[in-house]
Amino acid sequence: DTGVSQNPRHKITKRGQNVTFRCDPISEHNRLYWYRQTLGQGPEFLTYFQNEAQLEKSRLLSDRFSAERPKGSFSTLEIQRTEQGDSAMYLCASSYIGGQATDTQYFGPGTRLTVL
Amino acid sequence: AQSVTQLGSHVSVSEGALVLLRCNYSSSVPPYLFWYVQYPNQGLQLLLKYTSAATLVKGINDFEAEFKKSETSFHLTKPSAHMSDAAEYFCAVTRSGGSYIPTFGRGTSLIVHP
Repeated sequence: DTGVSQNPRHKITKRGQNVTFRCDPISEHNRLYWYRQTLGQGPEFLTYFQNEAQLEKSRLLSDRFSAERPKGSFSTLEIQRTEQGDSAMYLCASSYIGGQATDTQYFGPGTRLTVL
Repeated sequence: AQSVTQLGSHVSVSEGALVLLRCNYSSSVPPYLFWYVQYPNQGLQLLLKYTSAATLVKGINDFEAEFKKSETSFHLTKPSAHMSDAAEYFCAVTRSGGSYIPTFGRGTSLIVHP
């Protein structure tokens, strides 16, 4: 079990640039979640996938945010035209839904974004 | 709708003392409840979970929590604090049906003094 991995771990960018983050879930997990976490707060839900289907995206923070999971495996989160307010930790989590499973989410280490 | 309230943004204890971190929830349907721990610059690690089985749940590192429906609480305890327990702790609620999107509390920072 290799756990959830995220790359890069840190990203520094200039305002207005686009950034993309990658998440590789635990291999047998069919759900994948993206969260944003700012200092002193709990994770804030952004979007999630079941297999390749994006089931909830209304909580993405703006139309500058988008996510994909093209083959139901890894996922990417893209932020276009970054703003300083986008500076945060972006967390990915995965889980398994099916049978008696209870959707316990396992988190990756996060990607810390700094927008200058 | 569902929500989580963690009472106390910071809790300070001495090494060896009892740890008590408070979590109250609201949910219109039977909840699933979780406690996670986060060390600096790391993701969240699952400590324990309640999913409608036993109301007293034991987790890793001697942590445990008790689901009390009448009090809508799921407080986290540990009999004896260790320096390595210093971290941020998050309580989360989700539902036994529906879209499984959890709601997290704002977190409680546990400080352990030698």
